[in-house]
Amino acid sequence: YVLTQPPSVSVAPGQTATITCHGDNIATYNVHWYQQRPGRAPVLVVHDDDDRPSGIPERFSGSNSGSPATLTISRVEAGDEADYFCQVWDRTRDPPDVFGTGTMLTVL
Amino acid sequence: EVQLLESGGGLVQPGGSLKLSCAASGFTFSIDYAMSWVRQAPGRGLEWVSGITGSGTTTSYAASVKGRFTVSRDNSKNTLILQMTSLRLEDTATYFCARKAGWGRGYYDGWGQGALVIVSS
Repeated sequence: YVLTQPPSVSVAPGQTATITCHGDNIATYNVHWYQQRPGRAPVLVVHDDDDRPSGIPERFSGSNSGSPATLTISRVEAGDEADYFCQVWDRTRDPPDVFGTGTMLTVL
Repeated sequence: EVQLLESGGGLVQPGGSLKLSCAASGFTFSIDYAMSWVRQAPGRGLEWVSGITGSGTTTSYAASVKGRFTVSRDNSKNTLILQMTSLRLEDTATYFCARKAGWGRGYYDGWGQGALVIVSS
C-alpha cells in the first residue's frame, strides 16, 4: 500500500497550506499526520483524520472525506516550516503501518 | 509525559550486527501499548520497520528487514529491543522507537530522539 504526497508545498506567512495524501480507498482508513522539524523526532499533529492532540494549535486540521486526505494549516507561521508525513494502519495488511512519502512545507 | 530513549546506535560493517534499545518512562510500559521501530535514511522519509504488541506475543516486520531483524520487549524493564543482523548499506538510518497510542489505536503519540546506525566498510 502506497501513500503519495507532493514533495513540497510553499506558502506565505498568514496564508493557508494544504498538504495532500493519496492512497487507494484512503477514505476507508483513519489517516494520521506528523510534523518533523530538521534533526528532530516526528510529532503527531492530527490523528484519526481530524482530531488534534492536546497542545496542537487549532490552525492544524485534517480531512478524509474523499481522496485525497488532507492536512490544512491555517494562518501559517514561520515555525510551521517542516516535513509532514501522513500515515495509516491496517492490522490485516502486511506491513500494517505505512507512511506517506512526505511533504516539505516552506514558508516564504 | 511519554519519554523514549534509544541507545546502541553506531558504525558497523556490512554483514555485521547491532542491538538497539529503547528505554521507556513516564507511562506504564505494558500490554496496553504496542511499540514500533521506524527508521529514516539520510534525507529520506519515514519507513516503518517493525512492530510488537503490548504483550510481546505478536511481531511484524517490513519486507526489507524480515529474517534479519528481531523485535522484542521486556515489560518488567520497560525496554524495547531491536536486534539487527546481516546489516546492509541500505540499513543506514536513524532508528526511532515509537509508542502506539493505545489498544486498537493506529497512530504514534510518542517518539524517541532516534539512534543513528551507519553501515559502512
